[in-house]
Amino acid sequence: AAGVIQSPRHLIKEKRETATLKCYPIPRHDTVYWYQQGPGQDPQFLISFYEKMQSDKGSIPDRFSAQQFSDYHSELNMSSLELGDSALYFCASSPDPNTYEQYFGPGTRLTVT
Amino acid sequence: QQQVKQSPQSLIVQKGGIPIINCAYENTAFDYFPWYQQFPGKGPALLIAIRPDVSEKKEGRFTISFNKSAKQFSLHIMDSQPGDSATYFCAASRIWGGATNKLIFGTGTLLAVQP
Repeated sequence: AAGVIQSPRHLIKEKRETATLKCYPIPRHDTVYWYQQGPGQDPQFLISFYEKMQSDKGSIPDRFSAQQFSDYHSELNMSSLELGDSALYFCASSPDPNTYEQYFGPGTRLTVT
Repeated sequence: QQQVKQSPQSLIVQKGGIPIINCAYENTAFDYFPWYQQFPGKGPALLIAIRPDVSEKKEGRFTISFNKSAKQFSLHIMDSQPGDSATYFCAASRIWGGATNKLIFGTGTLLAVQP
């Protein structure tokens, strides 16, 4: 079965640079969630989209922005990167917002040096 | 403030043992309680989930026990195997008044099953 695809899998950036993470949800899933997982931490909700509209926002810094496109893929844009942004970033998708099950991608490991 | 509290932080059992991981929550509006399994460097994988209208759910070797009055739920892994060694996260969710159901995770339990 098709799964959530994330790219790139690994990304190394320097402080103050910009990064773009991409997420391709499971086919026919129109709801996308982004989570950030620091080393040894639990995943923290960042932002979510339903039908290309932002539907909820968590502890996402103002330096980050995201959007969902017409093909339902989503991109997380991160600017002015800081050392503390180093983490695993997961995308999860769901068939619709009324379905609780979320299926996670393999994640993008961002390292800021 | 951790909305979902998970214990223990780590757990070591022998092969064939039954590890038990516990979670507690405060927000009575939560109505969906999943467990995720995560291997190093991988994304969390949905293992099993329960709604508060049932007290127990079993899928294969994994069982969730749910105590609504105590606001607690737990994961039991029967006949544990070394391949079960991973980090386990409990989570909770509800309809958040918008259009999505963000997950609130516990702090995770690192399980090691020794051969």
